[in-house]
Amino acid sequence: AQSVAQPEDQVNVAEGNPLTVKCTYSVSGNPYLFWYVQYPNRGLQFLLKYITGDNLVKGSYGFEAEFNKSQTSFHLKKPSALVSDSALYFCAVRAVNTDKLIFGTGTRLQVFP
Amino acid sequence: DAGITQSPRHKVTETGTPVTLRCHQTENHRYMYWYRQDPGHGLRLIHYSYGVKDTDKGEVSDGYSVSRSKTEDFLLTLESATSSQTSVYFCAISVGGGDDTQYFGPGTRLTVL
Repeated sequence: AQSVAQPEDQVNVAEGNPLTVKCTYSVSGNPYLFWYVQYPNRGLQFLLKYITGDNLVKGSYGFEAEFNKSQTSFHLKKPSALVSDSALYFCAVRAVNTDKLIFGTGTRLQVFP
Repeated sequence: DAGITQSPRHKVTETGTPVTLRCHQTENHRYMYWYRQDPGHGLRLIHYSYGVKDTDKGEVSDGYSVSRSKTEDFLLTLESATSSQTSVYFCAISVGGGDDTQYFGPGTRLTVL
């Protein structure tokens, strides 16, 4: 069965510092991987996805994610955090032979001025 | 929110009453999904649809039914609401045809007293 783990409930980082939000997955076959962001009282917004190709994926708002097959990880990164990046972040995985996304439990990112 | 509207946006109801949530999209996308979001669980799939009158169960479908009589509308019904169904409900669409990205509506906050 496919699954996604986000090991940190919350990540705290100072503005201007690099940030990483971790995600590991378990799926048979090649995964499709996604990151979404949720601001308060809003729906989820798509940030980026990995389907195939370059292991470093660039997305919206300066975010990027690195696919690591050997470690089954897809960590979200940003070189310089902004206070406005504070939000809830979700990782999701889809196996090639299914139509459904499985979401992680979410990581709350808090960026302090 | 990707041309997706949800109604109502907020609802308070009593245990045992029927409740219907509506998801409406303006771009005739084939695939539609209903999720619920709960703390500690992330998003969990309730039901999904491949097209008109073509629906299937997701991970947490007990107590819920869906209908899709038109491409643009996907209805979620709680036949007899229970307090455990207090949650935030999100509708999503995907373009399909190899693009697996899901786009989410603004959500409906449902409270069952």
